[in-house]
Amino acid sequence: SQQGEEDPQALSIQEGENATMNCSYKTSINNLQWYRQNSGRGLVHLILIRSNEREKHSGRLRVTLDTSKKSSSLLITASRAADTASYFCATLDNYGQNFVFGPGTRLSVLP
Amino acid sequence: NAGVTQTPKFRVLKTGQSMTLLCAQDMNHEYMYWYRQDPGMGLRLIHYSVGEGTTAKGEVPDGYNVSRLKKQNFLLGLESAAPSQTSVYFCASSFPGGFAFFGQGTRLTVV
Repeated sequence: SQQGEEDPQALSIQEGENATMNCSYKTSINNLQWYRQNSGRGLVHLILIRSNEREKHSGRLRVTLDTSKKSSSLLITASRAADTASYFCATLDNYGQNFVFGPGTRLSVLP
Repeated sequence: NAGVTQTPKFRVLKTGQSMTLLCAQDMNHEYMYWYRQDPGMGLRLIHYSVGEGTTAKGEVPDGYNVSRLKKQNFLLGLESAAPSQTSVYFCASSFPGGFAFFGQGTRLTVV
């Protein structure tokens, strides 16, 4: 069963707008990670947020984590056409060994 | 620094044929993983390894075998390929609790 579930499944915005993607998970976590996948390529890690953190920033990325609601959000500000990709959240299982990925959000940024 | 390298990048098999996918990482990571990615289903874990000489089953292990004889290599074998194994296969590696680093993927078609 999938630990992480992203929402929405697909998102289409104009360049310059902000994009928000949400992730929900089911069990307790040590950290939650966000990845990007360009079409036909492997996943690339973007940002990791630990369970004792509530918010984290990296450039135009802002990630929040609400462990009480078992949810996280990824905000991309001032989006660019190059941000067009699929975005996945991932959590580690209780043993800290396996990554469990959600189905992803497909983001399209239109010029 | 090559990161995670997968061989081959593309392959077409006939039903019943066997093949081995090779994954090599040069980051001295303890953990290695094999995932398959199918449309609309995110990444599903096939097998993983937490160290040289160890392997374990993931979510969808049937029809696959793996070996980790050397720390840097993780092999995925298909003993008798079936059309249901048509997919994109990704190898990844990580330190315990850290990010996963992914290869570029192997696109396998079984006819």
